[in-house]
Amino acid sequence: DAGITQSPRHKVTETGTPVTLRCHQTENHRYMYWYRQDPGHGLRLIHYSYGVKDTDKGEVSDGYSVSRSKTEDFLLTLESATSSQTSVYFCAIGNPPDHYGYTFGSGTRLTVV
Amino acid sequence: AQSVTQPDIHITVSEGASLELRCNYSYGATPYLFWYVQSPGQGLQLLLKYFSGDTLVQGIKGFEAEFKRSQSSFNLRKPSVHWSDAAEYFCAVGGENYGGSQGNLIFGKGTKLSVKP
Repeated sequence: DAGITQSPRHKVTETGTPVTLRCHQTENHRYMYWYRQDPGHGLRLIHYSYGVKDTDKGEVSDGYSVSRSKTEDFLLTLESATSSQTSVYFCAIGNPPDHYGYTFGSGTRLTVV
Repeated sequence: AQSVTQPDIHITVSEGASLELRCNYSYGATPYLFWYVQSPGQGLQLLLKYFSGDTLVQGIKGFEAEFKRSQSSFNLRKPSVHWSDAAEYFCAVGGENYGGSQGNLIFGKGTKLSVKP
């Protein structure tokens, strides 16, 4: 979707290194989300944000941190990457009550070796 | 606990045949229901959504879904499947207070659709 971009699209990193994924939106939506998608698990929420500097944990937040210093940017950091964090990461945005239902980015495929 | 169940992991249908993908939910308040589609290597795209009113909702690409409160179901249907419909489909449930910890969308694990020529 043109209103939400993720970078990088692909990344290979080594175990133990920190990694930051970026989500950028041009829709001025209040809510932003980070999910990971793994076979057999569907989509699992890592962290979400409901405003600048307002964030909260999802169901699989261990090993991840987030920051949102501007409305348009939501960063996901893997503090010390592990092989179990190899996954596809999706960012999503939402803005109730004007926009129910999320808009998703195209994803970041992260491989930890 | 709030949850979404998609009983079928993988379904194969012939091109031109009808399709029904099942979704059952457990939610403590009035549910807002969604269906998303994901093509390989892509993000999720919203197909349709139900908030209130007519329980049969129409979406993009010729899809429709019917909300049945008594069965806690929101099944997705299409009368005639096209080869381009091959993808993975996700059902999701949320609430009026969506966005807070009690209202974030909860996704099912998905149903992969294959289409035979």
